[in-house]
Amino acid sequence: KAGVTQTPRYLIKTRGQQVTLSCSPISGHRSVSWYQQTPGQGLQFLFEYFSETQRNKGNFPGRFSGRQFSNSRSEMNVSTLELGDSALYLCASSLQLRDRSTDTQYFGPGTRLTVL
Amino acid sequence: DAKTTQPNSMESNEEEPVHLPCNHSTISGTDYIHWYRQLPSQGPEYVIHGLTSNVNNRMASLAIAEDRKSSTLILHRATLRDAAVYYCILRDGSQGNLIFGKGTKLSVKP
Repeated sequence: KAGVTQTPRYLIKTRGQQVTLSCSPISGHRSVSWYQQTPGQGLQFLFEYFSETQRNKGNFPGRFSGRQFSNSRSEMNVSTLELGDSALYLCASSLQLRDRSTDTQYFGPGTRLTVL
Repeated sequence: DAKTTQPNSMESNEEEPVHLPCNHSTISGTDYIHWYRQLPSQGPEYVIHGLTSNVNNRMASLAIAEDRKSSTLILHRATLRDAAVYYCILRDGSQGNLIFGKGTKLSVKP
């Protein structure tokens, strides 16, 4: 089974621009979560999607948004980029078991975004 | 959210066992203990999880204290490829996302 794939792997943007990152989950996984990783803040949860609906959202400004398509693929968008948005953006997929306490998340390799 | 405490870093020699501790004194009865690790330049990967009993899989063992206020991830024979940041995470059924702390950076010396 193919793992979680993320595109692009690397991206350079300038302040004020917007960016869209893509994530393809493992086949059969219906839940997709996004995380931001920076040296200062570590790994922080952005949002989670299940069946095209946002189920949970972390503490990020409205410039960060996402969506999920009917095939479970997901995109996240960051508008009006700031220097502080430079980070590794990770996508994770899971089966979304009824007992979420045992649900395993499978991470992609991430997209490294640099904002100049 | 229940929190975990881990040492910032640990060192090990190759082919020796490694015991990575985690304290979670505020754990609730329904919280599962999960471990993930992140190898350099990769996304985190699942290692193991447990509730009360000790657990083993092909990657590691998880030893859980009787009072569940602490746990230890055991790598039986560390290899250079095990050098990573190891995260101990508590999960209950109400949240889908993982809450990462700073983890333990494990260095493995040849």
